[in-house]
Amino acid sequence: ETGVTQTPRHLVMGMTNKKSLKCEQHLGHNAMYWYKQSAKKPLELMFVYNFKEQTENNSVPSRFSPECPNSSHLFLHLHTLQPEDSALYLCASSQDVRGGTYLSSYNEQFFGPGTRLTVL
Amino acid sequence: KNQVEQSPQSLIILEGKNCTLQCNYTVSPFSNLRWYKQDTGRGPVSLTIMTFSENTKSNGRYTATLDADTKQSSLHITASQLSDSASYICVVSVSGNTPLVFGKGTRLSVIA
Repeated sequence: ETGVTQTPRHLVMGMTNKKSLKCEQHLGHNAMYWYKQSAKKPLELMFVYNFKEQTENNSVPSRFSPECPNSSHLFLHLHTLQPEDSALYLCASSQDVRGGTYLSSYNEQFFGPGTRLTVL
Repeated sequence: KNQVEQSPQSLIILEGKNCTLQCNYTVSPFSNLRWYKQDTGRGPVSLTIMTFSENTKSNGRYTATLDADTKQSSLHITASQLSDSASYICVVSVSGNTPLVFGKGTRLSVIA
């Protein structure tokens, strides 16, 4: 295991539902990320938190709302999603230094197993 | 525009055979290149990382090469095993405050 856990592993929701994805890292890292992985497309960066501060919102629709209460936990709150939002949502963490957005790109990002989301 | 292109999109090989996956990138300024392995239902796991000055890096049966002049990298898998069946993703880091650039991945299936 990579030290990054995600729950739930699978989620099916209707377009009017509200749900949350949870990510927890046990590596002592200070940066956490949300990615969207769709079939036959590269991973898309959604949000970056560095030292609990959101440093990037990559033009993500407001129906996705991140929350980072501390450096070990990251949530993605979902509401009124669309069928095209169905994808694998991956959380990652890395050890970075204060002062930038994607800093220390040499530092490896450790990924969780992902949440397979299906929107009906 | 920073891009990473991988080929082939998918590949099927017999157990025990070797294979090579390709990655071409148009990224500047280049910082480093990683190959990740992603098993079905799991998140990506880093296999190798190479900086500008490195042209080969091995991790067991996996050997990655980098040609910074032609902006190409390859991942060679020797004596493939069924457990090598996965997606292999090439990821390039750009110097400075910019996000990682991901390829779409190559889906490898190793069959008995």
